[in-house]
Amino acid sequence: QVQLQESGPGLVKPSEALSLTCTVSGGSISSYYWSWIRQPPEKGLEWIGFIYYSGSTNYNPSLKSRVTISLDTSKNQFSLRLSSVTAADTAVYYCARLGRPSVVTPYYFDYWGQGTLVTVSS
Amino acid sequence: DIQMTQSPSSLSASVGDRVTITCRASQSISSYLNWYQQKPGKAPKLLIYAASSLQSGVPSRFSGGGSGTDFTLTISSLQPEDFANYYCQQSYRTPYTFGQGTKLEIK
Repeated sequence: QVQLQESGPGLVKPSEALSLTCTVSGGSISSYYWSWIRQPPEKGLEWIGFIYYSGSTNYNPSLKSRVTISLDTSKNQFSLRLSSVTAADTAVYYCARLGRPSVVTPYYFDYWGQGTLVTVSS
Repeated sequence: DIQMTQSPSSLSASVGDRVTITCRASQSISSYLNWYQQKPGKAPKLLIYAASSLQSGVPSRFSGGGSGTDFTLTISSLQPEDFANYYCQQSYRTPYTFGQGTKLEIK
């Protein structure tokens, strides 16, 4: 059973960078797309971006100038860095796997981490 | 970006009721539509993928339908554990986008 676990600071100061890591267990990070999604308190879900095991990335244009997603296959981890944060970046951050049962099936988020709350405040 | 609009935003229903939630895309997304259930303090859980395929382990009272721009999630007979938030999500084109959510409450 694939499991994902987010880790990182729960409090970040305005204008600084937010950094989170997702550790994947129960399966290899090789193959699949790995994604970050966030959810501000009492609000809906926003896709941040994904990385393929090859290292190629795709980011939400609304965040693209501030986002970097990277991969460490030796540790079975992938990471999120969001620069120049403001209070609007306060959210629960989820890591998730993009999967599909066959090449003719659309992608979906099949495995999720439990989420980690990051608060931006001085 | 493809906008996803769910209706209603909230819904009150009783155990045993049949309920339907609607999701509309701002352009055709074929069957590239997924449904998730989220309970307070928990990560979303995949229920339906490719508009109508039931994810393994999900009870058969959940069903999905539609294609193009209009989609539905139906719960045939509500159980106490089904009261939660529900989100649709398109995977037709990045940026992937979610509906604003539907809160299903106990009447």
